[in-house]
Amino acid sequence: DAGVTQSPTHLIKTRGQQVTLRCSPKSGHDTVSWYQQALGQGPQFIFQYYEEEERQRGNFPDRFSGHQFPNYSSELNVNALLLGDSALYLCASSLAKRPNQPQHFGDGTRLSIL
Amino acid sequence: LAKTTQPISMDSYEGQEVNITCSHNNIATNDYITWYQQFPSQGPRFIIQGYKTKVTNEVASLFIPADRKSSTLSLPRVSLSDTAVYYCLVGDYYNTDKLIFGTGTRLQVFP
Repeated sequence: DAGVTQSPTHLIKTRGQQVTLRCSPKSGHDTVSWYQQALGQGPQFIFQYYEEEERQRGNFPDRFSGHQFPNYSSELNVNALLLGDSALYLCASSLAKRPNQPQHFGDGTRLSIL
Repeated sequence: LAKTTQPISMDSYEGQEVNITCSHNNIATNDYITWYQQFPSQGPRFIIQGYKTKVTNEVASLFIPADRKSSTLSLPRVSLSDTAVYYCLVGDYYNTDKLIFGTGTRLQVFP
């Protein structure tokens, strides 16, 4: 039973570029959440997708956008990259009909902006 | 969502019991308490979850007093591999809601 998988594991970009990160949820899960974790900080919620729609959004600018596919996998897109976007980007999955069950996290994509 | 407060760091030695206390004074009736563990360059891993009294699993125990304004994660006989950051979170039992992480407690276990 595969857990949450994210790709790529590492990525280096320059300011102004655009990036797409990918996430496959744990088997059987239908909800995907994305988090940004800066060095030394706890993860910060970006947004959550369910039934291919953004259901909740944290305090992140419109440069951050996402998508969920019919197979429940998801993408996080960031446009016009800034140095401050350097972080570990985490994907977490869960099952909507079991809201009290803990979210399962992938090991993230380390994004470095030069 | 209720805010949580926990110590920034703790030190321990192998074989000792470690107790990490989390304060959540504004916890709501529907909120449950969840603890995650995170190693460097990895995603958080679920440890334990509870609503009231005591919960125990194969890796930890969670103690929650009657007023639920705090909780204590207990790790029995820690080893070097328990060195990690531990996060306490509270969330609505009925909603798959966003998780609000604090800065966590950085546990360092020494030989």
